[in-house]
Amino acid sequence: KQEVTQIPAALSVPEGENLVLNCSFTDSAIYNLQWFRQDPGKGLTSLLLIQSSQREQTSGRLNASLDKSSGRSTLYIAASQPGDSATYLCAVFVEYGNKLVFGAGTILRVKS
Amino acid sequence: SAVISQKPSRDICQRGTSLTIQCQVDSQVTMMFWYRQQPGQSLTLIATANQGSEATYESGFVIDKFPISRPNLTFSTLTVSNMSPEDSSIYLCSVGWLMGEQYFGPGTRLTVT
Repeated sequence: KQEVTQIPAALSVPEGENLVLNCSFTDSAIYNLQWFRQDPGKGLTSLLLIQSSQREQTSGRLNASLDKSSGRSTLYIAASQPGDSATYLCAVFVEYGNKLVFGAGTILRVKS
Repeated sequence: SAVISQKPSRDICQRGTSLTIQCQVDSQVTMMFWYRQQPGQSLTLIATANQGSEATYESGFVIDKFPISRPNLTFSTLTVSNMSPEDSSIYLCSVGWLMGEQYFGPGTRLTVT
């Protein structure tokens, strides 16, 4: 059974810092890995999608990497801003069952 | 990409009643999913909504409690039946394509009193 773990569970940083969120998964039989952002009481916004054959994806100040063999992904946020404050969720699309399996998320607070 | 709408956006319901949540997508999609997010928790998959056949339910979820319809490739409904306070959650519809990006609706916030 696939399990996804995100570390840290919560993070508070001053504005302008670069930061890294970590995601690990137990089974490498995945099609892709996706990072989402969720604001309080809202739905999920897709940030980055990395296919299993790819190593990284970039969008603006965000960079996500994937090491499928070791079951790890990181989300790098450069020059953080208060507007980045949200919960960040990592999810893998598993080959068996064709579904997303989510981590518990990292709650990020960027202080101005 | 896909734009997803859900109705209602929120509701307060009495114990023992049922609520049907609608999910509408602006394009035809292969895969539609229903998730539950309990307060302070991450997302748990309830079922995969299959067009033209019965939904595929995850362990711990049953059709009698969460009946799902998917009459076409752009629409699905989830009913939460015989509700109890433990059903108070955000219910989210998601769509996607195999090996592709998944998109989520805005969610339906349900409170059961």
